[in-house]
Amino acid sequence: DAKTTQPNSMESNEEEPVHLPCNHSTISGTDYIHWYRQLPSQGPEYVIHGLTSNVNNRMASLAIAEDRKSSTLILHRATLRDAAVYYCILSNGNQFYFGTGTSLTVIP
Amino acid sequence: DSGVTQTPKHLITATGQRVTLRCSPRSGDLSVYWYQQSLDQGLQFLIQYYNGEERAKGNILERFSAQQFPDLHSELNLSSLELGDSALYFCASSARDRRTMNTEAFFGQGTRLTVV
Repeated sequence: DAKTTQPNSMESNEEEPVHLPCNHSTISGTDYIHWYRQLPSQGPEYVIHGLTSNVNNRMASLAIAEDRKSSTLILHRATLRDAAVYYCILSNGNQFYFGTGTSLTVIP
Repeated sequence: DSGVTQTPKHLITATGQRVTLRCSPRSGDLSVYWYQQSLDQGLQFLIQYYNGEERAKGNILERFSAQQFPDLHSELNLSSLELGDSALYFCASSARDRRTMNTEAFFGQGTRLTVV
């Protein structure tokens, strides 16, 4: 039931910005866009979420397209600790359906 | 520390057996979610409870059941276990009240179940 499409993997150099894309063409008006990340053998960790406007927090920024059919998670300066699987999820408040996510490799 | 506690951390059991996984949500969170993650697989949504009532059901097998108690902790019961049930089982909590239903979810560290 995953409603999002993400690249399987991406690479980034350390200390450079990373833009992780997500397509969600079937998003409904009440769906929030959430991003989580998961390190090996750990539970997913919340990164950021938004509805229509771009959002910033201490971890990342979320850029949402005007038609809301796509979004981009922006890590401003990748560190080795950012290497993880990043999941883009649509949520209506009742459940969070995880897709396969993007495995981010950070190159020193 | 997410504030969500799952016990036990590891569980090894034989096929055909029954186990219970426990989850204590963050203080005040009313929603509890259960997920299954098999080796190299994504997170499969199993079931959600809100304030003691079942709210949403995902790909949960009939051999599996869950409940949320008045103190808001939740248990996931897995019975007639098969080798394929070996996985990480995660619990998450969210939503301190109805007004904030779309806040983030906080995940526990999971219970690793091995069926031999």
